[in-house]
Amino acid sequence: EPEVTQTPSHQVTQMGQEVILRCVPISNHLYFYWYRQILGQKVEFLVSFYNNEISEKSEIFDDQFSVERPDGSNFTLKIRSTKLEDSAMYFCASIESGRDFYNEQFFGPGTRLTVL
Amino acid sequence: AQSVTQLDSQVPVFEEAPVELRCNYSSSVSVYLFWYVQYPNQGLQLLLKYLSGSTLVKGINGFEAEFNKSQTSFHLRKPSVHISDTAEYFCAVRMDSSYKLIFGSGTRLLVRP
Repeated sequence: EPEVTQTPSHQVTQMGQEVILRCVPISNHLYFYWYRQILGQKVEFLVSFYNNEISEKSEIFDDQFSVERPDGSNFTLKIRSTKLEDSAMYFCASIESGRDFYNEQFFGPGTRLTVL
Repeated sequence: AQSVTQLDSQVPVFEEAPVELRCNYSSSVSVYLFWYVQYPNQGLQLLLKYLSGSTLVKGINGFEAEFNKSQTSFHLRKPSVHISDTAEYFCAVRMDSSYKLIFGSGTRLLVRP
């Protein structure tokens, strides 16, 4: 069964460093998302991406964050200068088509980011 | 602003007992409602969804949920739980005008033998 994959499963970094979280969405999917969950808190929407551009983003997704689809398979989230409060579990998700609101979002297993 | 509330952070229950996980939402517009489950070290998996029509929705693994518009609730139920149902359960809403999901804080279901 096709699935969304994410690497690495756990990333430890020093404050101020840049990190890139990687996701491989399901191959025929067209809409991509990043969510995050700070320990003990809600899963929060960060950004959605379609046709090589951001379609929606939250107030959390400031200039420190960027997303990219560098090739036909990967979808990345970059944090330019990490802060302690960026420590969280980051989930990638994808759906086949955003035009059909009934479509299920398929989630990856997450990357746990720890900023020291 | 839209929000989702899951009042119970943890629900302990004995195996084969019934369970209800509560979810309330606030929204002034039409929403679509979802329940996701997260097993340890795995991603979020869709259990069931309410889009329109019948207010009682059946999902995978014997779970069902009932949409109650007047109470703005979408509680998840299972008549008899198994040890394997131990997981984190998330309620989520999606508005008609947006692609994003708004999640509740999650409820950890702990099934004991």
